[in-house]
Amino acid sequence: QQQVKQSPQSLIVQKGGISIINCAYENTAFDYFPWYQQFPGKGPALLIAIRPDVSEKKEGRFTISFNKSAKQFSLHIMDSQPGDSATYFCAASIQGNTDKLIFGTGTRLQVFP
Amino acid sequence: EPEVTQTPSHQVTQMGQEVILRCVPISNHLYFYWYRQILGQKVEFLVSFYNNEISEKSEIFDDQFSVERPDGSNFTLKIRSTKLEDSAMYFCASRGQINSPLHFGNGTRLTVT
Repeated sequence: QQQVKQSPQSLIVQKGGISIINCAYENTAFDYFPWYQQFPGKGPALLIAIRPDVSEKKEGRFTISFNKSAKQFSLHIMDSQPGDSATYFCAASIQGNTDKLIFGTGTRLQVFP
Repeated sequence: EPEVTQTPSHQVTQMGQEVILRCVPISNHLYFYWYRQILGQKVEFLVSFYNNEISEKSEIFDDQFSVERPDGSNFTLKIRSTKLEDSAMYFCASRGQINSPLHFGNGTRLTVT
């Protein structure tokens, strides 16, 4: 119940294309869903996050879509750039206590020119 | 921009030895965490620390692990008797308030031989 399932494991996209990464969860108590971006040799960095009271959040080229009834959320990267090549992790937590993050298994995104 | 600093960046130790991983969280942050990432796998929660005590720990965080905030700036993770399976990237993280974003350091790569 604590798991967050993420797909695909890897993704190859051409420059200018749309990258889509999906996540699913079981625990309905989760109320905070961030996406982290990780470059090799670096720690995860918060990219964008959503709470279940909205169905979509957009920041620049990055959009989270959230489907509460299906217990799924996804990250869309519009106009993907080679600089977006990184590993992306979705995560979930229950806010208000320790806020520990349960991470997905990661998606390695490669954007080719 | 303030950041979480971890030292050393790479630590090699022999099985059975004690190791201390060090972190300097962002200065006005109140909540501190350790996560680990085995090579190629997802990021896993180890422990959270607030008000000078552990607030939550995972199954991974057994009696061989301990955390300490010895002064006003450092936050350490000690592994008393390292095992081969402790080899991983260890990330320190901190946040200001319970619902604020989590900031990760760049990690310490621990190699147990």
